[in-house]
Amino acid sequence: KNEVEQSPQNLTAQEGEFITINCSYSVGISALHWLQQHPGGGIVSLFMLSSGKKKHGRLIATINIQEKHSSLHITASHPRDSAVYICAVRALGAQKLVFGQGTRLTINP
Amino acid sequence: GAGVSQSPRYKVAKRGQDVALRCDPISGHVSLFWYQQALGQGPEFLTYFQNEAQLDKSGLPSDRFFAERPEGSVSTLKIQRTQQEDSAVYLCASSPLGGGAYNEQFFGPGTRLTVL
Repeated sequence: KNEVEQSPQNLTAQEGEFITINCSYSVGISALHWLQQHPGGGIVSLFMLSSGKKKHGRLIATINIQEKHSSLHITASHPRDSAVYICAVRALGAQKLVFGQGTRLTINP
Repeated sequence: GAGVSQSPRYKVAKRGQDVALRCDPISGHVSLFWYQQALGQGPEFLTYFQNEAQLDKSGLPSDRFFAERPEGSVSTLKIQRTQQEDSAVYLCASSPLGGGAYNEQFFGPGTRLTVL
């Protein structure tokens, strides 16, 4: 079993829908990251959080440390949101990130 | 300002060739990471530098993989006698601090290596 599990692996939705991507992890962490990767492109950091909730534009990230679970929400989704979204954690005392397999999101117009 | 850059962006190698992948981190960043991303998978850790010191190389898959950062800035990942299973995107990331929970990593565009 991977240390970081994401669901769903693939998600297709219509423009305007509310999107939720889930991430569960099995180790104690100092931080959790949500990252975005476009085809052929590099990785862009969306959020870094260790508790509570963060919001940036139409993106919202929440984390529940006790349950070892985080969610990324996209409101009013748009085709330009189509990308792979990756959850990654930094375990306590570590520097490296451990990544989930990613969720491929496709938003159709 | 300039982000993390990597070169080459694409590399095709014949099986058995040696390759060298370069990473230019953001100026002044203390920490540098290399990750390997196979097709359709999330990245996996290879190695980590703090300045010129390689503090963790536990993710290097074999002794054919070697990384260095001699002056604490530019880093090179070298793969000797490449094999087909080495085909992947190699990502470099840098972060400004040497430690701490709120140490965001900034990623380069990656080098896509294809071994024929």
